[in-house]
Amino acid sequence: EAGVAQSPRYKIIEKRQSVAFWCNPISGHATLYWYQQILGQGPKLLIQFQNNGVVDDSQLPKDRFSAERLKGVDSTLKIQPAKLEDSAVYLCASSLLGGQGIEQYFGPGTRLTVT
Amino acid sequence: GQNIDQPTEMTATEGAIVQINCTYQTSGFNGLFWYQQHAGEAPTFLSYNVLDGLEEKGRFSSFLSRSKGYSYLLLKELQMKDSASYLCAVRRQAGTALIFGKGTTLSVSS
Repeated sequence: EAGVAQSPRYKIIEKRQSVAFWCNPISGHATLYWYQQILGQGPKLLIQFQNNGVVDDSQLPKDRFSAERLKGVDSTLKIQPAKLEDSAVYLCASSLLGGQGIEQYFGPGTRLTVT
Repeated sequence: GQNIDQPTEMTATEGAIVQINCTYQTSGFNGLFWYQQHAGEAPTFLSYNVLDGLEEKGRFSSFLSRSKGYSYLLLKELQMKDSASYLCAVRRQAGTALIFGKGTTLSVSS
């Protein structure tokens, strides 16, 4: 079975520019997560979708970050404008709906460097 | 707030046994997870505990004590490829996201 796909794998931008990341979850996985992992730390949830609805976006900096999952499958995460402190790996993960699944499957991540 | 603590770094030699501890204080508990993350790669699932006790899976075992807010990951017969970061994570409710600790970087030497 294909895993979680993400693109691009690497991105370098200047501060105040905008950037977008794409994620395609495992087929049949209704729940999708975006995590931010800063170097030397564990992943931190940015937003969780269930199908195309937002379940939790309490830690998403909404003044600059946005995310959507229009058809309940692929998702995009956007940063506009980027700040230096946004330099991190952005991980997408997916899981089966609710209590049906235990494990979250992670994609390879997008490493963002803001200069 | 939510707090998950684990040691920052550990070292061990090939063939040895190492125990990585994790303590947590969270509002709600619906399972404790251990993930392995090699440098530059995505986290991969190792184990899951929701009831007290020991779960064994090959060379890896994980233990949970809910009353103490404590878990450990036990790695036996260490191999060089076990050098990685080990992430402890808690799920507060079914179907919600994981809260991760900062990870423990394990270095295995020959």
